[in-house]
Amino acid sequence: DTGVSQNPRHKITKRGQNVTFRCDPISEHNRLYWYRQTLGQGPEFLTYFQNEAQLEKSRLLSDRFSAERPKGSFSTLEIQRTEQGDSAMYLCASSEDRGPNNEQFFGPGTRLTVL
Amino acid sequence: SQQGEEDPQALSIQEGENATMNCSYKTSINNLQWYRQNSGRGLVHLILIRSNEREKHSGRLRVTLDTSKKSSSLLITASRAADTASYFCATGETGRRALTFGSGTRLQVQP
Repeated sequence: DTGVSQNPRHKITKRGQNVTFRCDPISEHNRLYWYRQTLGQGPEFLTYFQNEAQLEKSRLLSDRFSAERPKGSFSTLEIQRTEQGDSAMYLCASSEDRGPNNEQFFGPGTRLTVL
Repeated sequence: SQQGEEDPQALSIQEGENATMNCSYKTSINNLQWYRQNSGRGLVHLILIRSNEREKHSGRLRVTLDTSKKSSSLLITASRAADTASYFCATGETGRRALTFGSGTRLQVQP
């Protein structure tokens, strides 16, 4: 399977715990994006990497959130001291690097439930 | 924040009918993309239309873009029960790489 993969698919945690999600993009894609989607809404952008450089962060990405892409391949998104409001689907996408018009391909998402 | 507004929010049709969904946006864009999402799943990319294009086809899909009105439409012809899903438009705004999504249209195709 050469699509975007995400792990885990589901995560249930207690408020105050830290969680980490992993995204493996399509292998030849230089760009990697994280989005968050709550029930009944469209995805909202969180952050974007070009290779290992984090080039854009949304104001939604509070200081409890951190994302890395250490070798320009897979990426991790960590949420520290989780809150109930963090419950959402976390989506990862990747794209080629061909200027401004690139199709973004999404993974299946990680559904986070904070109790 | 959500840029686009999809219209209608929900649409129910019979199999074989055509489905039309509209999307409006607010800023200058490089492209507009349409995605499909089945319940609880990831997004499937359907089509990308660039800001200098007016119409694009892919199989049973037809997308139009009117940059003067800041609007786009997605037409699905000869719908099937398997087309039941939520459909989102997403804009690639000028100067940004991130996509800004609308709130989606929930399409129900009755067999």
